[in-house]
Amino acid sequence: GDSVTQMEGPVTLSEEAFLTINCTYTATGYPSLFWYVQYPGEGLQLLLKATKADDKGSNKGFEATYRKETTSFHLEKGSVQVSDSAVYFCALRDNYGQNFVFGPGTRLSVLP
Amino acid sequence: NAGVTQTPKFQVLKTGQSMTLQCAQDMNHNSMYWYRQDPGMGLRLIYYSASEGTTDKGEVPNGYNVSRLNKREFSLRLESAAPSQTSVYFCASSYRGAQSYEQYFGPGTRLTVT
Repeated sequence: GDSVTQMEGPVTLSEEAFLTINCTYTATGYPSLFWYVQYPGEGLQLLLKATKADDKGSNKGFEATYRKETTSFHLEKGSVQVSDSAVYFCALRDNYGQNFVFGPGTRLSVLP
Repeated sequence: NAGVTQTPKFQVLKTGQSMTLQCAQDMNHNSMYWYRQDPGMGLRLIYYSASEGTTDKGEVPNGYNVSRLNKREFSLRLESAAPSQTSVYFCASSYRGAQSYEQYFGPGTRLTVT
């Protein structure tokens, strides 16, 4: 079945550091890929998405590129802030638009 | 625009008690979902409803029942709560059928069973 793998957390960075959170997936066909963010005590919010190969999703300084050749969708940000501290989930929606599959989440802590 | 709303936000139950978690969405979405989130386990799908009138089991359905009351509302019932059901429960909704459509999540219900 389809699956999503994310790098183990927690990730701890200093403010203004560069962020990469790795995400790889296994799926048939051409799934859509998503990054969600969950702030403490809240539900998940969509951060960005990409629906086909080579698409780049971006939002709030975060970026991720859909790489079909490496089945990856790594999340990057050039300069993190304390307010970016949260849990980040990589997810896919399958080729048929039915199932959503989530990764286990990566906790990010940004220190001032 | 309220999006996805859930009630209650917090609940404490004793073992064996029953309760219903309510979820409603105002985005005219076809599909609705119930997840539970436990530390270190990510999100696990309990039940989903692809469209009004249909429901299907997800990964962890045991101990739960659902009702898709109408297009807007999807409730989750615990008939006899157990400590293993202590968790945070999230409802989500989406358009059906196209892979590009994302899910929208509610704020969650934090349930403790003692």
